[in-house]
Amino acid sequence: AQSVTQLGSHVSVSEGALVLLRCNYSSSVPPYLFWYVQYPNQGLQLLLKYTSAATLVKGINGFEAEFKKSETSFHLTKPSAHMSDAAEYFCAVRTYSGGYQKVTFGTGTKLQVIP
Amino acid sequence: EAQVTQNPRYLITVTGKKLTVTCSQNMNHEYMSWYRQDPGLGLRQIYYSMNVEVTDKGDVPEGYKVSRKEKRNFPLILESPSPNQTSLYFCASSLPASDTQYFGPGTRLTVL
Repeated sequence: AQSVTQLGSHVSVSEGALVLLRCNYSSSVPPYLFWYVQYPNQGLQLLLKYTSAATLVKGINGFEAEFKKSETSFHLTKPSAHMSDAAEYFCAVRTYSGGYQKVTFGTGTKLQVIP
Repeated sequence: EAQVTQNPRYLITVTGKKLTVTCSQNMNHEYMSWYRQDPGLGLRQIYYSMNVEVTDKGDVPEGYKVSRKEKRNFPLILESPSPNQTSLYFCASSLPASDTQYFGPGTRLTVL
């Protein structure tokens, strides 16, 4: 079985401050890991993905995440928050088993950026 | 333009009245999936399809049906909707060997 835990359903940062959104996963097979962003009243967009290549993954809008197998973590960071980063962020794990794909999402973290 | 479309975008219905939410993609993707999004629960997978005529249950399939008769379409059917199926629904698609899912704009369903 696989699972994803996102610590903190709401995170507030000041504009210009570091953004850190936490994600821990559990998987019995090597996972693919993703971060998606959802802006109000919209669908999900891919921010970045880890697919067993480089452990430090860079995504769109200045976000990056580091895969740490020993910690089973895939935390999302951005050095300097912008007002436009206010959204909900979802971590997801995807595995292949028996020829079938399985995708599990975390419960999401709402990021508030304070001017 | 590559996209996943869903219809309707908003639907208010009553308990027990059968409904279908359509999903269509124009990217020739084999893999399609339905999710529901509820506050505090994130996205939960309802059903997915690896290809035409190949479907399987996700984490919360009770009360839902799907079919995959054509590659581009993956409708979600609620035979007898109940208020606990009030939710925001997303369809997604991807290539099987790829790992990026493309999401539709969502369908907000209210069952009274």
